[in-house]
Amino acid sequence: DVVLTQTPPTLSATIGQSVSISCRSSQSLLHSNGNTYLHWLLQRPGQSPQLLIYLVSRLESGVPNRFSGSGSGTDFTLKISGVEAEDLGVYYCVQGTHAPWTFGGGTKLELK
Amino acid sequence: QVQLQQSGAELVKPGSSVKLSCKASGYTFTEYDIDWVKQRPGQGLEWIGGINTENGDTDYNEKFKGRATLTADISSNTAYMELSRLTSEDSAVYNCATTWFAYWGQGTLVTVSS
Repeated sequence: DVVLTQTPPTLSATIGQSVSISCRSSQSLLHSNGNTYLHWLLQRPGQSPQLLIYLVSRLESGVPNRFSGSGSGTDFTLKISGVEAEDLGVYYCVQGTHAPWTFGGGTKLELK
Repeated sequence: QVQLQQSGAELVKPGSSVKLSCKASGYTFTEYDIDWVKQRPGQGLEWIGGINTENGDTDYNEKFKGRATLTADISSNTAYMELSRLTSEDSAVYNCATTWFAYWGQGTLVTVSS
């Protein structure tokens, strides 16, 4: 199975600070069809996860543009340009290129 | 708007089975696959399997193969997951989600206890 390693496991930030989360894959996530099925989710406390970014860098409808995704192959990054209070929670990367789909271990974003 | 409404919490005995439902609304049911995800308290997310709602084809995580059964009823816009031979390790919140995890249900808490 593909292992997704997220760093850091915990991130402390102040409101307005820009932060980045890394997601590294144990194998390339480039599919034979040319797509890279790497997505980012946010799970706020007590809620189900929500999709933020799909296919590495595409912003899901309704998601603020302070969120951005980048990367290719095995290295991916989620950036938040100016953290807001509503951004607190656990961030997960997830891959849908190689079955079984797998999730990163999560990065908890806290207020400093 | 797209909504996935899951069935209520379950308390089940070890060795038994449980069948969870996920009713979709706000879109054409066959437009998206439905995936099922397990989350144990304080732990991460684990993919159980997925079903193509148009043709019924299924994919399972090897870890759950033989114990999980995914089905979909187009007439009622509802997906189901049955999990058998339950143990305490199956106590968790189970979520359904659409293709690429774009939309999620609210989750169903399953507690396995005698």
